[in-house]
Parts: sequence; structure tokens; C-alpha cells
Amino acid sequence: AQSVTQLDSHVSVSEGTPVLLRCNYSSSYSPSLFWYVQHPNKGLQLLLKYTSAATLVKGINGFEAEFKKSETSFHLTKPSAHMSDAAEYFCVVSGNAGGTSYGKLTFGQGTILTVHP
Amino acid sequence: DSGVTQTPKHLITATGQRVTLRCSPRSGDLSVYWYQQSLDQGLQFLIQYYNGEERAKGNILERFSAQQFPDLHSELNLSSLELGDSALYFCASSVAAGGETQYFGPGTRLLVL
Repeated sequence: AQSVTQLDSHVSVSEGTPVLLRCNYSSSYSPSLFWYVQHPNKGLQLLLKYTSAATLVKGINGFEAEFKKSETSFHLTKPSAHMSDAAEYFCVVSGNAGGTSYGKLTFGQGTILTVHP
Repeated sequence: DSGVTQTPKHLITATGQRVTLRCSPRSGDLSVYWYQQSLDQGLQFLIQYYNGEERAKGNILERFSAQQFPDLHSELNLSSLELGDSALYFCASSVAAGGETQYFGPGTRLLVL
């Protein structure tokens, strides 16, 4: 079975400073990995997706993530935080490709990002 | 706007009652997924339908059931409601059976009193 651990429940940064949200995954196969963002009282929006092509994945709004198989990590970064980045971020792993649970997404517990002016 | 619609946005009901949540997927998407988001359990996968057939099942209670209709919209039925069923219920859709991007609707917030 697959699982995801987000290492920080809360991250606080100042506007204009870098953002690092950490995620480790566990999977017995080569997973698809995603980062989703949820703004207050909103639905979930896809930031980026890794599917075994390039290990460095670029997403929307300046975010990117690097897949490191040796470390089983998929950390999310952004060079310069903006006030509008304040939200909850979820690291997500898909089910096993070819299996009937391929569509099942397993979510981490979420990291709340606070951005101070 | 993801293109996935969910109704109603909010639902307040009493314990023991039954409710139905509705989801319309993006145009062209064949899979519909249901997720539950609660404070204590986080975001959990409930069930997936692909082109009208149940495809995968997660932590869905026996009191809950879902179906996908020929026009591909889906309904999630929650019965014998308990206080602990209060949560945000999300629907998502994707083009095929799995692995590709899932697009989420705005959710239905259920409050059981």
C-alpha cells in the first residue's frame, strides 16, 4: 500500500523568502505524485504532477518539486513567497498503475503555509 | 473553475436522516471519484466509478453508497447519518481510469446536527 508523510503541519515564511514544503512517500511501485493546494473555503487545485518523466517538475504559480527516488521524497519549493500563496498544501500519491486502485489518491495530512508581510 | 460541479454547496440535516450529494464531471471525463475531508481523518478516498461501473473502493462506510448514471453524473447517498459524518465531501473527475490528473469540484459541506 502507498502512503505519504508531510513532515510539517505548519510552515511560516515572510513574503519574498523561499518556501519549502516537505513530503516523503512510501510505495512498492513507481508512483505518480502530485501536489494540490486548497485555499480557505475552496476546492483542491492541482499545482503539479510527477509521472516518471523529468525528476524536476514545474507547476503553476512558480512552484516546483523534485522527485528523489533514493530519498523517497517529493518536496515542494518556490523561490519567493507571495501573500496569495497562503493556503493548505497536500502531497498526494496515486495507486498502482495497472491495478484497479490506480485512480485512488492517498493524501498527506496537509501543510498549512502562512505568509507574513 | 475546474469544470466539476457539485450540488448542494451546503447541507444541514439531523442524525438518522439520509441525503444525496450530486456531482457532474468535466465534459469528456469518464471517471468520478468521491472523497471525504474531515478534521480528524483528513482527506480520504471513498469510491471511484468509471464509465458507470464501480472501479475502486476506499474507506467507504456501508451506510454510504454511490452510483454513476449513463450521462456520467454521480450521486453519493449517505444514510442513517451520524454526527461524525459531518465533513466536506469532494467529487473529482478524470479522463480515464486512473493515474491521470483528477480535477476537483468545490465540495459539499455537510453538517449533521
